[in-house]
Amino acid sequence: GENVEQHPSTLSVQEGDSAVIKCTYSDSASNYFPWYKQELGKGPQLIIDIRSNVGEKKDQRIAVTLNKTAKHFSLHITETQPEDSAVYFCAAKGSGGSNYKLTFGKGTLLTVNP
Amino acid sequence: GAGVSQTPSNKVTEKGKYVELRCDPISGHTALYWYRQSLGQGPEFLIYFQGTGAADDSGLPNDRFFAVRPEGSVSTLKIQRTERGDSAVYLCASSTSGRASDTQYFGPGTRLTVL
Repeated sequence: GENVEQHPSTLSVQEGDSAVIKCTYSDSASNYFPWYKQELGKGPQLIIDIRSNVGEKKDQRIAVTLNKTAKHFSLHITETQPEDSAVYFCAAKGSGGSNYKLTFGKGTLLTVNP
Repeated sequence: GAGVSQTPSNKVTEKGKYVELRCDPISGHTALYWYRQSLGQGPEFLIYFQGTGAADDSGLPNDRFFAVRPEGSVSTLKIQRTERGDSAVYLCASSTSGRASDTQYFGPGTRLTVL
């Protein structure tokens, strides 16, 4: 089955700096890659996603890039703010008969220091 | 509109007891998923419903775990003879359908603690 690796596990930045989180996946047939933000005591909330037919997608301060050849994708947050502090998860959706199942990375705890 | 809701938000039980966790998906969503999240980990897939039927229950850890969705809306995850290792946050998600590109919307989870 699919395997998703995520790095780093923790990331601390100063307010206004950029943050980058990287993930790799194992199943070359995976074609949907969402990113979720999870605040303490809450469920994961989708912040951005990318499908395999595009290489980059941007939404205000958040961007995601996808390299299908290398099987990795990254989340970029620019001009970070204290409210960006949370755990971020990348995920990949399986292929074929299990194309509804999300496989998640282990998460990155992002701390934005004021 | 209303998102995915889960009850209870917290459940503390003793080893060996039976528990039920409830999920109310977004209205009109035919696909419903259960995931389990252990401390410091990402969510792990348990089971997927399309309508009333369990299309994939391959993630259920053993036969103590069972889930139903009798009317194609609300779902209940049932755990028999709970063990301390079952302690985790149980997350429910729903999507418009089960298509690969559909966004899965998560509820706030139920934190289960087995003493």
